Amino acid sequence: NAGVMQNPRHLVRRRGQEARLRCSPMKGHSHVYWYRQLPEEGLKFMVYLQKENIIDESGMPKERFSAEFPKEGPSILRIQQVVRGDSAAYFCASSARGTGELFFGEGSRLTVL
Amino acid sequence: TQLLEQSPQFLSIQEGENLTVYCNSSSVFSSLQWYRQEPGEGPVLLVTVVTGGEVKKLKRLTFQFGDARKDSSLHITAAQPGDTGLYLCAGEWTSGTYKYIFGTGTRLKVLA
Repeated sequence: NAGVMQNPRHLVRRRGQEARLRCSPMKGHSHVYWYRQLPEEGLKFMVYLQKENIIDESGMPKERFSAEFPKEGPSILRIQQVVRGDSAAYFCASSARGTGELFFGEGSRLTVL
Repeated sequence: TQLLEQSPQFLSIQEGENLTVYCNSSSVFSSLQWYRQEPGEGPVLLVTVVTGGEVKKLKRLTFQFGDARKDSSLHITAAQPGDTGLYLCAGEWTSGTYKYIFGTGTRLKVLA
């Protein structure tokens, strides 16, 4: 009974490169959320998606960041032209339709050199 | 901007002591959740409260939702080293959106 799977767990990129973070929700879950966490801080909401739809992206920076949750395959958070300030842990959570119970993955830790 | 403030930010106590963590906002929540996060891992849901004044217990943990649904508290009785972690509250402002905004977190350390 696999939980939320995120990969990679750790990612190192140089400034200007692209980062792609993947999230496979729990089986049967159709809602995916992405959060960012800086060291010693809480979680900041980025985006909420359902299959093939972005429901709420009010927490996403206007530039360089995008997210998708295709009909088939994992959800992907994409960061283009990364900068040092993008260094953080990115958490994905999923929930079943009609519930507010979020199940989190173990996170992807991005380091930008 | 909806804000959830938690207090205290840091707490270091001896094993066996009691403690209370607070989560406050100026806005009304439709529901509120508490999570615990350990280093290197994702948060794990502890409880969801929905009704004003609601009290829920989970072993030595007692969660209370304020009558006006603007605040919540987490009380731990006889803390143990295994309770060490980051405690996060998360509020949903509009029922059914399932968009949760997280608080600033309380980092608890229980010393043996």
